[in-house]
Amino acid sequence: DIQMTQSPSTLSASVGDRVTITCRASQRINTWLAWYQQKPGKAPKLLIYDASSLDGGVPSRFSGSGSGTEFTLTISSLQPDDFATYYCQQYNTYSLYTFGQGTKLEIK
Amino acid sequence: EVQLVESGGDLIQPGGSLRLSCEASGFTFSSYWMHWVRHAPGKGLVWVSGINSDGSITRYADSVKGRFTMSRDNAKNTLYLQVNSLRAEDMAVYHCARGGLGRLESYWFDPWGQGTLVTVSS
Repeated sequence: DIQMTQSPSTLSASVGDRVTITCRASQRINTWLAWYQQKPGKAPKLLIYDASSLDGGVPSRFSGSGSGTEFTLTISSLQPDDFATYYCQQYNTYSLYTFGQGTKLEIK
Repeated sequence: EVQLVESGGDLIQPGGSLRLSCEASGFTFSSYWMHWVRHAPGKGLVWVSGINSDGSITRYADSVKGRFTMSRDNAKNTLYLQVNSLRAEDMAVYHCARGGLGRLESYWFDPWGQGTLVTVSS
């Protein structure tokens, strides 16, 4: 099984900050990686697919990069609506899809 | 508008059974892979199972294999998850999510439903 490790688990930041979340895969997954945003009681929302492609309607302050085993999600200038939990997901393997443990982005 | 709406969650005793449903609208349901993902309290997202567009292929996480059965009725645009022999660790919000089109099994999930809560307690 491919394990996905996100860091940090919790991130405290202020409106306007630039923040980066890292996701590491235990095996190479090329760019088969997605990022999701989830708010309490809501459905996860797709932000990024194929490691760096922004889903339609997602603000351009969100960006993704990486390939192989190291990936990052960057928010260039935090907005109040961005405080949420973020998950990476690999979809490289045909029979299993694994998520990172999540990064909770909190207001400092 | 593409929409997924889950139902069927309930309070159930350990060892019990339940059938979860997910009604799809706004897209050609019969053309897509579909998945169930669960979110236990205080934990992260965990993929549970997936099914291809015509229901001929199903995949399961090891933790639910042999206890959960995923199926679909394309005429009713509805996805199902039969959950048997429930354990405390199965307690979670269960989300359905759309996967890839046709043969695209390696694909991201979009959109997701809001989820239905399964509570396992005696």
